[in-house]
Amino acid sequence: GQQVMQIPQYQHVQEGEDFTTYCNSSTTLSNIQWYKQRPGGHPVFLIQLVKSGEVKKQKRLTFQFGEAKKNSSLHITATQTTDVGTYFCAVDYGQNFVFGPGTRLSVLP
Amino acid sequence: DADVTQTPRNRITKTGKRIMLECSQTKGHDRMYWYRQDPGLGLRLIYYSFDVKDINKGEISDGYSVSRQAQAKFSLSLESAIPNQTALYFCATSDWTDNQPQHFGDGTRLSIL
Repeated sequence: GQQVMQIPQYQHVQEGEDFTTYCNSSTTLSNIQWYKQRPGGHPVFLIQLVKSGEVKKQKRLTFQFGEAKKNSSLHITATQTTDVGTYFCAVDYGQNFVFGPGTRLSVLP
Repeated sequence: DADVTQTPRNRITKTGKRIMLECSQTKGHDRMYWYRQDPGLGLRLIYYSFDVKDINKGEISDGYSVSRQAQAKFSLSLESAIPNQTALYFCATSDWTDNQPQHFGDGTRLSIL
């Protein structure tokens, strides 16, 4: 079946450091979505990438879709304690929706 | 999203019991989904429905059933609960076309003893 991998599984950073999570697929993707889940909360949609090589920014967050559309990354510049949570990538295969296992980010003040 | 409401929020029950989790939405979305979340495994799709007459199995449908009573309501049933169905369950909705964001309810934490 379709699988989406994410690395790392966990990341601990000092506040102010940068953070990156990577999402990888063995198949070419038509799109990729990113979600954030705060501790005790539910996943919240952040962004969707569709085009090869696409880069989108939301304040300190930068999202990139690989040229081959098989991978994506989320980069946070100068992390803050409010960035704590689990970041998921997700792929809509039309007849199925698959989430990656997520990267849990801890930010030490 | 307050527009996607799940009940109950927490439930503790015993092995063998029948359980129903309910989801209702006021977003007017056609598509609804049920996921379970386990530590380290992310979200796994149980069932999804693209409209009232459409029900599809997801990755892990065994041991579960669903009912789409109306556009706004999608319920998940565990006919005979077992301990490894202990998990956090989320309902989500999305608009009628592909590649739309999903909007999640607050989840139901289910414990089966």
